[in-house]
Amino acid sequence: KAGVTQTPRYLIKTRGQQVTLSCSPISGHRSVSWYQQTPGQGLQFLFEYFSETQRNKGNFPGRFSGRQFSNSRSEMNVSTLELGDSALYLCASSLEGHSGNTIYFGEGSWLTVV
Amino acid sequence: GDSVTQMEGPVTLSEEAFLTINCTYTATGYPSLFWYVQYPGEGLQLLLKATKADDKGSNKGFEATYRKETTSFHLEKGSVQVSDSAVYFCALSSNQAGTALIFGKGTTLSVSS
Repeated sequence: KAGVTQTPRYLIKTRGQQVTLSCSPISGHRSVSWYQQTPGQGLQFLFEYFSETQRNKGNFPGRFSGRQFSNSRSEMNVSTLELGDSALYLCASSLEGHSGNTIYFGEGSWLTVV
Repeated sequence: GDSVTQMEGPVTLSEEAFLTINCTYTATGYPSLFWYVQYPGEGLQLLLKATKADDKGSNKGFEATYRKETTSFHLEKGSVQVSDSAVYFCALSSNQAGTALIFGKGTTLSVSS
């Protein structure tokens, strides 16, 4: 069974640009969530999608957005990139999105903003 | 709000030593608790979990018991190996927040032979 797949794995963008990251959850999983990992702030929850609807949102500015498609695949977008957006972005999926569900993570997308 | 506090690292041990990484939490209700491990350059892997008080999660020789009275979920392993060197994250998921995980800062474990 394939795991959570994220693309691209590595990318470099210029300040002010926008970026779109993609995530394919484990087959059958309906909940997809996104996290940002930085050395200073650690792992922080961005948002969660379930059945194409955003169900939870972390404390990030509106420049960070996401969506989920009918096949549960998800994308996140960051507009007007800032240097501080450089981070590892992790996607995770779970079966039904309940708090006790096991949450599986992808290997992440490394974003560098220059 | 909900939070997780875990001991600061790095933790440096010799092979076959006993490991304890402390984790305490603050949460309303009855959260589920998790330990994740991250190897260099990789994403997070679930190590173990517990969903209710007094549950013990275990995997690959690691154990942690959900202690509601002390709001703790300490990670232990009786005999560490060099291959256990990684960053360990304690996390909780509260019933109020779906599957949103709140993580501790992470503890770096370095095991030498």
